[in-house]
Amino acid sequence: KNQVEQSPQSLIILEGKNCTLQCNYTVSPFSNLRWYKQDTGRGPVSLTIMTFSENTKSNGRYTATLDADTKQSSLHITASQLSDSASYICVVSDRGSTLGRLYFGRGTQLTVWP
Amino acid sequence: EADIYQTPRYLVIGTGKKITLECSQTMGHDKMYWYQQDPGMELHLIHYSYGVNSTEKGDLSSESTVSRIRTEHFPLTLESARPSHTSQYLCASSERSSDTEAFFGQGTRLTVV
Repeated sequence: KNQVEQSPQSLIILEGKNCTLQCNYTVSPFSNLRWYKQDTGRGPVSLTIMTFSENTKSNGRYTATLDADTKQSSLHITASQLSDSASYICVVSDRGSTLGRLYFGRGTQLTVWP
Repeated sequence: EADIYQTPRYLVIGTGKKITLECSQTMGHDKMYWYQQDPGMELHLIHYSYGVNSTEKGDLSSESTVSRIRTEHFPLTLESARPSHTSQYLCASSERSSDTEAFFGQGTRLTVV
């Protein structure tokens, strides 16, 4: 069964600190992995997208890693800001269908305190 | 900011009413999707479309229906709303290739009383 598991479920950190969010998946055949940021009551916004051959990608203070062998990904946030408070969702796409089906994790709820 | 729009953002409606949630994108994307998301839970695909006159049901059974008469427009309709339909509905679109990014609308928060 294709699944995406994220940890931790929730996380609280102080402003300026770093943190790392984890994503494990069983989706096969793998096409790509995406990290989205979702503010409360809003739609998800893409942070990074990585294909099989990419093992790291950065977008400002966000750095995503991918280990396709162990089917694990991480999202590292550097020097956190209050505006980073949101749900971070790991999404994996398969290439077993023309749809490129997206499988969503439940997200990690990050809260940044001043 | 993605060019995909959903209206209304919030809707409170009585049981038995017919409602239509609007979704429009100006990016010329072939693929469009409707997801349902309860608080703290993952997104579940309820409908998708490859292009005009193409609609398919997703993984999560839903009593809603969709239509795709124009590329840019993918409305979702509930003929008779019930409290169990209370949820957030998210519309998304992407290009034909499976490696491209999916852009999401802001969502419609539906409450059926």
